[in-house]
Amino acid sequence: RKEVEQDPGPFNVPEGATVAFNCTYSNSASQSFFWYRQDCRKEPKLLMSVYSSGNEDGRFTAQLNRASQYISLLIRDSKLSDSATYLCVVTPRYYGGSQGNLIFGKGTKLSVKP
Amino acid sequence: ETGVTQSPTHLIKTRGQQVTLRCSSQSGHNTVSWYQQALGQGPQFIFQYYREEENGRGNFPPRFSGLQFPNYSSELNVNALELDDSALYLCASSPGAAYTLTYEQYFGPGTRLTVT
Repeated sequence: RKEVEQDPGPFNVPEGATVAFNCTYSNSASQSFFWYRQDCRKEPKLLMSVYSSGNEDGRFTAQLNRASQYISLLIRDSKLSDSATYLCVVTPRYYGGSQGNLIFGKGTKLSVKP
Repeated sequence: ETGVTQSPTHLIKTRGQQVTLRCSSQSGHNTVSWYQQALGQGPQFIFQYYREEENGRGNFPPRFSGLQFPNYSSELNVNALELDDSALYLCASSPGAAYTLTYEQYFGPGTRLTVT
């Protein structure tokens, strides 16, 4: 089982639609959670961190359910500029060795059409 | 722009050759991580350097090696290149101390390596 699994996609939606991305992680000791955005042939960029209490940034809402080991990202009123691949990311708990590395899901591609 | 730069942008090598990729971290960042991103996949962690010491390694063979310099820039070396090494190689710098659990990593634009 992969450490981080995401909806395979792609998602093709019209402008103004609401779209939800789902992600599950296998290591219950995972420490931190993020959504990154990656444009075609570019580097990943942090979109938002994800907290247990849920957090919102404009049209974007992220949720974390530690009991279910589930992370979500909701985009409301989608724009053409939201077209990108969305990567779910977790970090492992520090055990004194390898730490701080980001574990990425495969990503879900979103295309927003006019 | 993150302030993280990588060189070269693109590279074509032949199977069996060796390659060195370079990364300059953002000013003030003392930690550099390297990732490999194959086509259609998410980035995979190769290793991390903190203050010139390797501070963790992913599931990559020893022919993937690295260095970090006193100015915190870094190199990734890959020996005996294989076709499967074709990928986008990303470096990411961060300001956190080695044992900080949560901190943002800033990615460079990557080096696209093609092995023929």
